[in-house]
Amino acid sequence: GIQVEQSPPDLILQEGANSTLRCNFSDSVNNLQWFHQNPWGQLINLFYIPSGTKQNGRLSATTVATERYSLLYISSSQTTDSGVYFCTRASGSRLTFGEGTQLTVNP
Amino acid sequence: DTGVSQNPRHKITKRGQNVTFRCDPISEHNRLYWYRQTLGQGPEFLTYFQNEAQLEKSRLLSDRFSAERPKGSFSTLEIQRTEQGDSAMYLCASSLFTGGAGGYTFGSGTRLTVV
Repeated sequence: GIQVEQSPPDLILQEGANSTLRCNFSDSVNNLQWFHQNPWGQLINLFYIPSGTKQNGRLSATTVATERYSLLYISSSQTTDSGVYFCTRASGSRLTFGEGTQLTVNP
Repeated sequence: DTGVSQNPRHKITKRGQNVTFRCDPISEHNRLYWYRQTLGQGPEFLTYFQNEAQLEKSRLLSDRFSAERPKGSFSTLEIQRTEQGDSAMYLCASSLFTGGAGGYTFGSGTRLTVV
């Protein structure tokens, strides 16, 4: 099946630090989305970014479809950024999730 | 609209019992999806509806699982004769399909524990 690889699997930051999360695909990047799952389990859609770059506040994402990867940048991290970050690829209407990056931001 | 609502939030059941979960999507969304998430893993697709039609089912959805969306609004997911391996978070999502795959909104999930 199509592989969605995320790195790093775990990341611990001090509040205020910046970070970059990566997502690699074994096949074409198709309708890529980034999600944040907070510690209570709620999945929040961060970006729908099949290509190019988008920014939303302290978060931005870049997808390079020709090289089959996407990056999520978090600047000036806050404790509320803690949780698991997933990238997904759409196959038809189903989303295939990576295994996620567990982010912990310490005060 | 308050987003995607799932009930109950938690369910503990004995092995062999049947359970039913409910999902109320965002009202104008025509697509509704069910996913299952086990500890430490990303969610896995189970099935989806467009309006009342169930258009795709994953092979993960065994014969003990059934999902319905009777009037194209809320959906139910029933698990019969539960097994310990069914313990997981069951997530519902909805979207307004206009040709792309974006715009997913997930509910808070139903956490099932089979004892």
